Amino acid sequence: EAGVAQSPRYKIIEKRQSVAFWCNPISGHATLYWYQQILGQGPKLLIQFQNNGVVDDSQLPKDRFSAERLKGVDSTLKIQPAKLEDSAVYLCASSSGLQETQYFGPGTRLLVL
Amino acid sequence: LAKTTQPISMDSYEGQEVNITCSHNNIATNDYITWYQQFPSQGPRFIIQGYKTKVTNEVASLFIPADRKSSTLSLPRVSLSDTAVYYCLFSGAGSYQLTFGKGTKLSVIP
Repeated sequence: EAGVAQSPRYKIIEKRQSVAFWCNPISGHATLYWYQQILGQGPKLLIQFQNNGVVDDSQLPKDRFSAERLKGVDSTLKIQPAKLEDSAVYLCASSSGLQETQYFGPGTRLLVL
Repeated sequence: LAKTTQPISMDSYEGQEVNITCSHNNIATNDYITWYQQFPSQGPRFIIQGYKTKVTNEVASLFIPADRKSSTLSLPRVSLSDTAVYYCLFSGAGSYQLTFGKGTKLSVIP
């Protein structure tokens, strides 16, 4: 069974530029999550989808971050414009249901200069 | 948000049993206790989950006392490949999201 796929694996941009990350969850998983992990800290949930609907986006900085899962399968997370403090690893996870085990992708490491 | 407290770091020699304790004073009745493992440059990986007493799988055991205000992850006979960060967190009805703390960095020494 293929795991959660993410791309790109690494991205370097300058502040005020925009960037997008892509995630393809495990086939059949209805729930998809985006996390931000700053160096030395645990992952912080940004947004959670159930199929193509948003379940929780309370910690998503909506002035610069956006995410979509239009067809209920893959998802994109966008940052526009990026700030220095957005440098982090962005992790995508999926699960078969809202309270089921989450499976994480390898993450995208973002560096904002 | 639900909070957990774990030691920041632990060292152990290869072959020893390692116990990592987590306190979670404000756990709710419907919450399950879950542990994840994270290697550098990888996403967290599910290890074990429990509600009360003891749960064992092929990689670890989880001990939960009756009051459920703490839990202990037990790794039998650790090897160098067990060097990772271990997170204790809980989820359950009404708290679909996982709230990660800073985790415990386990270093296994040869």
